[in-house]
Amino acid sequence: NAGVTQTPKFRILKIGQSMTLQCTQDMNHNYMYWYRQDPGMGLKLIYYSVGAGITDKGEVPNGYNVSRSTTEDFPLRLELAAPSQTSVYFCASSYSSGQETQYFGPGTRLLVL
Amino acid sequence: AQSVTQLDSHVSVSEGTPVLLRCNYSSSYSPSLFWYVQHPNKGLQLLLKYTSAATLVKGINGFEAEFKKSETSFHLTKPSAHMSDAAEYFCVVTESSSYKLIFGSGTRLLVRP
Repeated sequence: NAGVTQTPKFRILKIGQSMTLQCTQDMNHNYMYWYRQDPGMGLKLIYYSVGAGITDKGEVPNGYNVSRSTTEDFPLRLELAAPSQTSVYFCASSYSSGQETQYFGPGTRLLVL
Repeated sequence: AQSVTQLDSHVSVSEGTPVLLRCNYSSSYSPSLFWYVQHPNKGLQLLLKYTSAATLVKGINGFEAEFKKSETSFHLTKPSAHMSDAAEYFCVVTESSSYKLIFGSGTRLLVRP
């Protein structure tokens, strides 16, 4: 039982490049989330999903896209990387919302130059 | 609107002395409250959560927190700090039916030998 896994761990992008951050969970959780953490700040929600085929925007969705074709996977796509997207990205999952614990992956550190 | 304020950005204690990390929240409804810990270059791990049951919540690694509605506080305590407690701690609030976690800005705990 690996929990929530993310790849890659670290990536450097040039401005305008695109990439996909991968997230997989093996806990059969319905809810999945993408957050970004900027230095000295708490996490901010980018997108979330309540089940396969259903996604919705969080607080800071601009510049990102997501898809959820399976229960296990929730990739985050950056189409045109910008320096403002330099951050640490965390994927999380939970069985449901509210009181349920969210389980976090180890994070992907992204640097856009 | 919900919000979380962590009153100290940094707390420094000596090993073996008590730890107090302060958190105040604002919520229109009955909140659920969490404390998460983040060790360097790691993902977030749940320490404990309050979900309208007992107001004194015990978590992992000897941490506990008390929900005080009259003071809108959810401070995290530990009787005796250990070197391994050095990390970033986040106070988080959500409403019982909501997917959305609201994170505080974090408190970095330093433990001196």
